[in-house]
Amino acid sequence: TQLLEQSPQFLSIQEGENLTVYCNSSSVFSSLQWYRQEPGEGPVLLVTVVTGGEVKKLKRLTFQFGDARKDSSLHITAAQTGDTGLYLCAGFNSGGSNYKLTFGKGTLLTVNP
Amino acid sequence: DADVTQTPRNRITKTGKRIMLECSQTKGHDRMYWYRQDPGLGLRLIYYSFDVKDINKGEISDGYSVSRQAQAKFSLSLESAIPNQTALYFCATSGRQGSYNEQFFGPGTRLTVL
Repeated sequence: TQLLEQSPQFLSIQEGENLTVYCNSSSVFSSLQWYRQEPGEGPVLLVTVVTGGEVKKLKRLTFQFGDARKDSSLHITAAQTGDTGLYLCAGFNSGGSNYKLTFGKGTLLTVNP
Repeated sequence: DADVTQTPRNRITKTGKRIMLECSQTKGHDRMYWYRQDPGLGLRLIYYSFDVKDINKGEISDGYSVSRQAQAKFSLSLESAIPNQTALYFCATSGRQGSYNEQFFGPGTRLTVL
């Protein structure tokens, strides 16, 4: 069974601070996705990283896929209150008939004004 | 209009009652999924369907059943609800095109079983 561990589980910071959350596994994934879930809503896909060492930027959010494709990080620069939410990583392995995602349990981020 | 809709959004029911949660999508995706989300446990897959004739159990299917009535519709039933089925339930879809199984979620149903 493939597992994804996210850390920290909870993070509370002040607006303007920087932060990094992590997603780690002992398994290799073909690709890794990051989702953000706001209260009362379903998760929304932010980005997919595919290549080991890949870095993708989405405004103030920077996503990195580890060289060995076993881990990923999400860095937020100058956090805003609108960044508050649950951040989920999900790993995917292509090939065969199994197209399920493996989800981490999430990091709950609160950005205080 | 939302691409993935779920009804009802909230439901309170009693132990032993039969409950059906419905999901509809306008994304034209073949693959549909049902998850439940519990604090501290994350998202867990209940059932998934790759097309109308294909139904597969996920990691926590006991106590649940599903029906794929059409490409666009996938319903989840709790035949006899019990309190530990109290959770947030999400429907999701993914397309055959693209190789990363990126998923699109509905807004969720908050189910409380008393």
